[in-house]
Amino acid sequence: GQNIDQPTEMTATEGAIVQINCTYQTSGFNGLFWYQQHAGEAPTFLSYNVLDGLEEKGRFSSFLSRSKGYSYLLLKELQMKDSASYLCAVRARRYSSASKIIFGSGTRLSIRP
Amino acid sequence: SAVISQKPSRDICQRGTSLTIQCQVDSQVTMMFWYRQQPGQSLTLIATANQGSEATYESGFVIDKFPISRPNLTFSTLTVSNMSPEDSSIYLCSVETLGQRVINEQFFGPGTRLTVL
Repeated sequence: GQNIDQPTEMTATEGAIVQINCTYQTSGFNGLFWYQQHAGEAPTFLSYNVLDGLEEKGRFSSFLSRSKGYSYLLLKELQMKDSASYLCAVRARRYSSASKIIFGSGTRLSIRP
Repeated sequence: SAVISQKPSRDICQRGTSLTIQCQVDSQVTMMFWYRQQPGQSLTLIATANQGSEATYESGFVIDKFPISRPNLTFSTLTVSNMSPEDSSIYLCSVETLGQRVINEQFFGPGTRLTVL
């Protein structure tokens, strides 16, 4: 089966750093995504990891360890606009059909001044 | 990137009726996906729609309830049939495109907020 776990809620302070963890179990792993979703809006793509290691993109970095089934999203220099839900999603290959992306339940991040 | 539009953006429907949601993409894409996001929850994949073939439905979703059309590479529709209040949700269209680093990025439409009374 497939399972993705991430914390339900987190709180952090403006200007600080926060790390959102995600663990997963899936067959046919073919990449891990992080999405940001503001309330009432569609998810927007943040990052993609398919190999082990750290991918850095501006204030956001994403890490993957395939052997541990573990990823994290690191947000630096937090801004109030970073208050949103962050969704961890895993792509799984499927035999004889297209691969699919499975989403975790999301982490609601609140930034306080 | 891909720009995706959905119609309607929201609707309020009566129990037992059906609603068809349209998804239009500004470029040709092979893979289109339909997701549902119920209040306070994450996204659940309903089905994958490829042009020229029947949609592939996920466990718990059936064609009679959620018929999908994919007449060309830029358009798809999802119908929510014989609606009940449990179908109240946001329905999102999504497409997969080849990114700059040859990764398949997935983009989402703005969603259709459906309320069933």
